[in-house]
Amino acid sequence: GQSLEQPSEVTAVEGAIVQINCTYQTSGFYGLSWYQQHDGGAPTFLSYNALDGLEETGRFSSFLSRSDSYGYLLLQELQMKDSASYFCAAPNSGNTPLVFGKGTRLSVIA
Amino acid sequence: GAGVSQTPSNKVTEKGKYVELRCDPISGHTALYWYRQSLGQGPEFLIYFQGTGAADDSGLPNDRFFAVRPEGSVSTLKIQRTERGDSAVYLCASSPGQGPGGYTFGSGTRLTVV
Repeated sequence: GQSLEQPSEVTAVEGAIVQINCTYQTSGFYGLSWYQQHDGGAPTFLSYNALDGLEETGRFSSFLSRSDSYGYLLLQELQMKDSASYFCAAPNSGNTPLVFGKGTRLSVIA
Repeated sequence: GAGVSQTPSNKVTEKGKYVELRCDPISGHTALYWYRQSLGQGPEFLIYFQGTGAADDSGLPNDRFFAVRPEGSVSTLKIQRTERGDSAVYLCASSPGQGPGGYTFGSGTRLTVV
C-alpha cells in the first residue's frame, strides 16, 4: 500500500519562506497532491504533480522528484492566514482513492 | 450545488445507537469518497463510489459501517451500534471522475458517541 511521511509541525515567521517535505513509498506512482486544512475546516486542494519538477501557483509551489520518491510544498511570503495543516496525498494505483499523510501543522508567527 | 454539502454538521449520539450521515456532492461529479479524520491525523479512507456502485470499500472498519449512493448523487453513510471509538469527523469529497485529480471536500460531520 501507500505510505507517506511528512513532519508533524513546522513554525515559520511571517513574510518568510517555508518548505514542507513529503516522502512516499509505493509500488507504483500516480501523482502527488497537496491539501490545506484550517482548524475546523474542510481540506482544500492546492496542487498536483504527476511529473518531476516544480509547479507554481501564486505564493505556493510544489516540487516532485520521482527518482527520490520525494516532494515538497513551498510557501512564499508567508501570511498569518497560512497557519493550517498541510497534507500530501497519493493513490495506491491509477484509479483508487487518495491516501493521505498525517499532515504537517504550520504555525506562522509574527 | 456549488460545493459539497454534508449534514448534519454535528451529531451527538449514545453508544449503541444508529446514525446516518448525508453527503450531497457537486452536481455532475461521478466519484464520491468518504473519509474519517481523528484529531491531529490525516483523512482516513473509508469507501469510494463511482456512480451508484461502491468501487472500493476496503477502508470500512467493520460491518457496522455501510454506505449507499442509490441514484449516483447523494450518498448516505450508515453506522450501526455506534461505539465511542467511532467518534471522529466524517468527511465526504467528490471529483469529476476517476483518477487522482483534485477532490472537493465538504466541511464534514463531527460525530460524538457518548
